Amino acid sequence: GQSLEQPSEVTAVEGAIVQINCTYQTSGFYGLSWYQQHDGGAPTFLSYNALDGLEETGRFSSFLSRSDSYGYLLLQELQMKDSASYFCAVRAVTTDSWGKLQFGAGTQVVVTP
Amino acid sequence: KAGVTQTPRYLIKTRGQQVTLSCSPISGHRSVSWYQQTPGQGLQFLFEYFSETQRNKGNFPGRFSGRQFSNSRSEMNVSTLELGDSALYLCASSTQGPFYEQYFGPGTRLTVT
Repeated sequence: GQSLEQPSEVTAVEGAIVQINCTYQTSGFYGLSWYQQHDGGAPTFLSYNALDGLEETGRFSSFLSRSDSYGYLLLQELQMKDSASYFCAVRAVTTDSWGKLQFGAGTQVVVTP
Repeated sequence: KAGVTQTPRYLIKTRGQQVTLSCSPISGHRSVSWYQQTPGQGLQFLFEYFSETQRNKGNFPGRFSGRQFSNSRSEMNVSTLELGDSALYLCASSTQGPFYEQYFGPGTRLTVT
């Protein structure tokens, strides 16, 4: 089958480092995407990994291991504004089209003072 | 550059009615994808249009349909509304497609009574 698993909630203090893991099971893998969504807001693209390794963008980094069907999003120097839901997403094959984008259930990150 | 715009932002309909939602992508983006977001089911991919053709689709009944115009603007239609269709409907635009980097609009909050 096709699935994505990520933790439901992570709590950390300001300035800390948080790692959100995402394991996936899908055929026709294109790459792993990460999105951030604040309460009441729309998802915002954070990163996309098609190849193995670490991609760094400011305080956020994303990692992919295709052989392990695993990736993670690393949030460094946590700030209060990082409190949000974070989603991983992959392409999932469908029977009647090129595919669909499948999202994980989301990880709620709570940053405390 | 202007972002993705969606109209209307809020909508209340009754069961059995039909509804049309509109999305204007970022200028130059030819791919428009639609998503349904609910607390119970999370973010679900509806379909993607690229150059006026449906290229990808999720697992939704035929009551959900869409189209894209030559200027890349897209509409989504839901016929015979059910209570379970109450959700936030998001559209996202991109240059390559939903499996890569995409930009979301603010969404249309649909309530079916």
